[in-house]
Amino acid sequence: KQEVTQIPAALSVPEGENLVLNCSFTDSAIYNLQWFRQDPGKGLTSLLLIQSSQREQTSGRLNASLDKSSGRSTLYIAASQPGDSATYLCAGGETGANNLFFGTGTRLTVIP
Amino acid sequence: GAVVSQHPSWVICKSGTSVKIECRSLDFQATTMFWYRQFPKQSLMLMATSNEGSKATYEQGVEKDKFLINHASLTLSTLTVTSAHPEDSSFYICSAPQAGGTDTQYFGPGTRLTVL
Repeated sequence: KQEVTQIPAALSVPEGENLVLNCSFTDSAIYNLQWFRQDPGKGLTSLLLIQSSQREQTSGRLNASLDKSSGRSTLYIAASQPGDSATYLCAGGETGANNLFFGTGTRLTVIP
Repeated sequence: GAVVSQHPSWVICKSGTSVKIECRSLDFQATTMFWYRQFPKQSLMLMATSNEGSKATYEQGVEKDKFLINHASLTLSTLTVTSAHPEDSSFYICSAPQAGGTDTQYFGPGTRLTVL
């Protein structure tokens, strides 16, 4: 069973800084990896999806990488803004199924 | 992008009552939907997989007789929490992969259940 861990659990940065969120997983036979954003009391917004054959995906100020051999993924946020404040979750998908295994999340606060 | 809705968005009920939560895919068909539960300050944990036209499959430790799942059509799955107790208070979120799509999961906005 896939186990997903995210470090740090919480992170505060001043506005404008670039930052990296880390995600590690135990099963290198991961099918895909997704990064989500969750605002307090809300559902999930999909940010980026990386297939197992890919190494990275980019969307605007976000860049996510996937290294299956080391069991790691990172989410890079450039020029952070207060509106980026949220909890960021990574989730791994397993081959042959569509359910996701979620990490515990990183709570990001961008200070104006 | 594809949209998944949930109803109600929040519900408060007395202990011992049953609560039904609906999950709908609004602009696509979903043969499979997933139900997750999220306790405060914890991540999402998969409860069960809802399959259209067949029985749901439950994760270990989830009581199938307590959490009844019905996937009656390609756009609707329901989760009924029977005889709810305060420990069932949680944030319930459903998701659906778009059939024939890119494996992207589309999540509903969640339902906050509070059992008094």
